[in-house]
Amino acid sequence: GQQLNQSPQSMFIQEGEDVSMNCTSSSIFNTWLWYKQDPGEGPVLLIALYKAGELTSNGRLTAQFGITRKDSFLNISASIPSDVGIYFCAGRPIGNEKLTFGTGTRLTIIP
Amino acid sequence: GAVVSQHPSWVICKSGTSVKIECRSLDFQATTMFWYRQFPKQSLMLMATSNEGSKATYEQGVEKDKFLINHASLTLSTLTVTSAHPEDSSFYICSARDLHEQYFGPGTRLTVT
Repeated sequence: GQQLNQSPQSMFIQEGEDVSMNCTSSSIFNTWLWYKQDPGEGPVLLIALYKAGELTSNGRLTAQFGITRKDSFLNISASIPSDVGIYFCAGRPIGNEKLTFGTGTRLTIIP
Repeated sequence: GAVVSQHPSWVICKSGTSVKIECRSLDFQATTMFWYRQFPKQSLMLMATSNEGSKATYEQGVEKDKFLINHASLTLSTLTVTSAHPEDSSFYICSARDLHEQYFGPGTRLTVT
């Protein structure tokens, strides 16, 4: 099925650094979601976005719904060890309840 | 709130047998539940969408007779992998949607020997 282009594919950062990742689509979405998945677990919802241009924060995480409705960004500030994992974006098209998932960004913190 | 559970968390079965996986929304009613499959280092792949009291809608390429889905109530959906083969070994994750968003269960690791 269709997948969103998510970048970067992987990130290696030091603790305390800020992180940015994004998702782009060729089609318009009316909902953007960001999930985090730890090894052997299901994805956990981090942030949900419903309006073009919307900027929403959840603690150290901030996500934005792109103005074109074809992209979204997730920023993590001052990363900590528990931020390690795989981050997935997901978009929901207009009139469709199914989510389309991004390819994932694997975040690793270098000691 | 919005907790989804799955049982079992892992299962090993012999080739040719059937395995049932349960998905429950613990603190909300879910009119729609979804079943996903995930291979190592890959994204989630939607298998089917189920609505309470009606037949599931399967994605292209997913065999409905092999992956039986029953959405018996607003809080329970089951996935039965029939006549399992080693290639069915995977991580199966269910998801339930409340009024606002979609929440995922912890997943079930199926290994077919």
